[in-house]
Amino acid sequence: GQNIDQPTEMTATEGAIVQINCTYQTSGFNGLFWYQQHAGEAPTFLSYNVLDGLEEKGRFSSFLSRSKGYSYLLLKELQMKDSASYLCAVTTSGTYKYIFGTGTRLKVLA
Amino acid sequence: GAVVSQHPSRVICKSGTSVKIECRSLDFQATTMFWYRQFPKQSLMLMATSNEGSKATYEQGVEKDKFLINHASLTLSTLTVTSAHPEDSSFYICSARDETSPYEQYFGPGTRLTVT
Repeated sequence: GQNIDQPTEMTATEGAIVQINCTYQTSGFNGLFWYQQHAGEAPTFLSYNVLDGLEEKGRFSSFLSRSKGYSYLLLKELQMKDSASYLCAVTTSGTYKYIFGTGTRLKVLA
Repeated sequence: GAVVSQHPSRVICKSGTSVKIECRSLDFQATTMFWYRQFPKQSLMLMATSNEGSKATYEQGVEKDKFLINHASLTLSTLTVTSAHPEDSSFYICSARDETSPYEQYFGPGTRLTVT
């Protein structure tokens, strides 16, 4: 079967750094996406990792270890507007489907 | 570019009636679209893959006779919730795959369905 796990909720302080983890067990792993979703809105693309290593994009970075079935999203210099759900999604070979993780609700406090 | 729209954004219907939700790719052609549902404080759950010109592929546990999907053109897929019940109330989101960026999906803004 396929299993993708994330912490349910996290809380951090404005200006801080937070790391959101995603572990997965899938057959035929092809790549991993991170999305941000504000309540009642569509998910918006943050990053895509297919090879091991760190991808940096402004305040957001994403890391992947294929051998460990592990990824994390790193958010720096947190802002109040970063309060949202963060979803990791895995794609597998032979299909373009996303399998979404459980999602992490991040609350940024002043 | 890569904009996906959904219509309506909100709909309220009575139990037993049917409601149709449209998903359009506005500036690209999408041979494949996806339909998700999302309950409050939960992640997106894939319901089905919509393929232009062929039958949709449903995920396990999703009733294909209740959630009718039609993908009649390269820019439009529709989801019809038939004989809706209150437990069908949810946030329905579609996404579309652009052939030029095959693994990335572009999401529509979602449709909030409330069945009374």
